[in-house]
Amino acid sequence: QSALTQPPSASGSPGQSVTISCTGTSNDVGGYNYVSWYQQYPGKAPKLIIHEVTKRPSGVPDRISGSKSGNTASLTVSGLQAEDEADYYCCSYAGSNNFVFGTGTKVTVL
Amino acid sequence: EVQVVESGGGFVKPGGSLRLSCGASGLTFADAWMSWVRQAPGKGLEWVGRIRNKGTSDYPTPVKGRFTMSRDDSKNTVYLQMNSLTVEDTAVYYCTWSGFTYFASWGQGTLVTVSS
Repeated sequence: QSALTQPPSASGSPGQSVTISCTGTSNDVGGYNYVSWYQQYPGKAPKLIIHEVTKRPSGVPDRISGSKSGNTASLTVSGLQAEDEADYYCCSYAGSNNFVFGTGTKVTVL
Repeated sequence: EVQVVESGGGFVKPGGSLRLSCGASGLTFADAWMSWVRQAPGKGLEWVGRIRNKGTSDYPTPVKGRFTMSRDDSKNTVYLQMNSLTVEDTAVYYCTWSGFTYFASWGQGTLVTVSS
């Protein structure tokens, strides 16, 4: 199972929006509405921020949103803040009780 | 609030074995599905396995046959038995409380180093 493809980096100024893509295949991202996203600060554990493509867990601000089109899922962070500077990983159910993560994207707030 | 705590990491030689433990609180543990996710130094996340509430488990190809998850609901604990370890297994291992298709709450991780 190959990792999902994410851009290595993304950046934006405070107040702007940044969108991160997560590209897989019809066997994972395209085949199921089971994409989740995780935010990870350096040296810390990942934190779930989106599940089932668009759903936000309690406590996650609504300026964070998810979407999917075909084999590509996307995470958008609007109104960028300094605290959004982190690594972001997507993950998809890949059938047969398997999961595959993305390669990760480092978001920098300029 | 669900809290997850891993333990048992350490240094092991190639070919060796190690057992990690993961305790969870703030949930009905007997109903919980738990997973392990690892992260090699400077690398991305990799799913390592999942154990359902009834004790059945799933593993990805890289660890299938070498890693085994088990659980003791009386202790609110799951275990990850890792055998035939290689240097490629060096990573921080995170235990997570899982939904069916996502990883909801994560522990702080425990470092496993495989080296001669």
